[in-house]
Amino acid sequence: ILNVEQSPQSLHVQEGDSTNFTCSFPSSNFYALHWYRWETAKSPEALFVMTLNGDEKKKGRISATLNTKEGYSYLYIKGSQPEDSATYLCARNTGNQFYFGTGTSLTVIP
Amino acid sequence: NAGVTQTPKFQVLKTGQSMTLQCAQDMNHEYMSWYRQDPGMGLRLIHYSVGAGITDQGEVPNGYNVSRSTTEDFPLRLLSAAPSQTSVYFCASSQFTGTAYGYTFGSGTRLTVV
Repeated sequence: ILNVEQSPQSLHVQEGDSTNFTCSFPSSNFYALHWYRWETAKSPEALFVMTLNGDEKKKGRISATLNTKEGYSYLYIKGSQPEDSATYLCARNTGNQFYFGTGTSLTVIP
Repeated sequence: NAGVTQTPKFQVLKTGQSMTLQCAQDMNHEYMSWYRQDPGMGLRLIHYSVGAGITDQGEVPNGYNVSRSTTEDFPLRLLSAAPSQTSVYFCASSQFTGTAYGYTFGSGTRLTVV
């Protein structure tokens, strides 16, 4: 059962633009929310793991926030660069099981 | 440090054939899992293991078997391949059981069943 939704499905931005996308999930039975970056022909790489309502994580120009009460997380990229082009996946963890969204495909145009 | 190693990278099977996808990790991770990736769908969990000797079913377990005799290895067996099992398969491991630790993924196995 796919119960994690990501939007938009795809996104094209100009180099230097800032952007954000959304991960929505059921707020019940929540343990953690994961974000992954998945480049073409590579494997997904973990970006953030967030567990508490109000959590904010940052890695360079990429940051994420978490709202467990309303069931959403935002991923922000500041000053997008061509190397940020990838699919960004979120996954809801309910203990031993993960449920992944279908991802947001980001293309940064030089 | 090799991380998570999956073999083979590509495989073509005939309907009804069986095969084993191999997954090994050298990070002493307790938690290992298998996912399949299909167009338009998120990664879907097939089976997972929280430690040697312990396995459980995920979201889409039918047609697949797993075992975990060692901490390092978590093979996925297709018992009688069907065209519906054409997919890209990923093995992933985590230091502890889910929750606060992200996955390390293998490079994937692209399987085609004809």
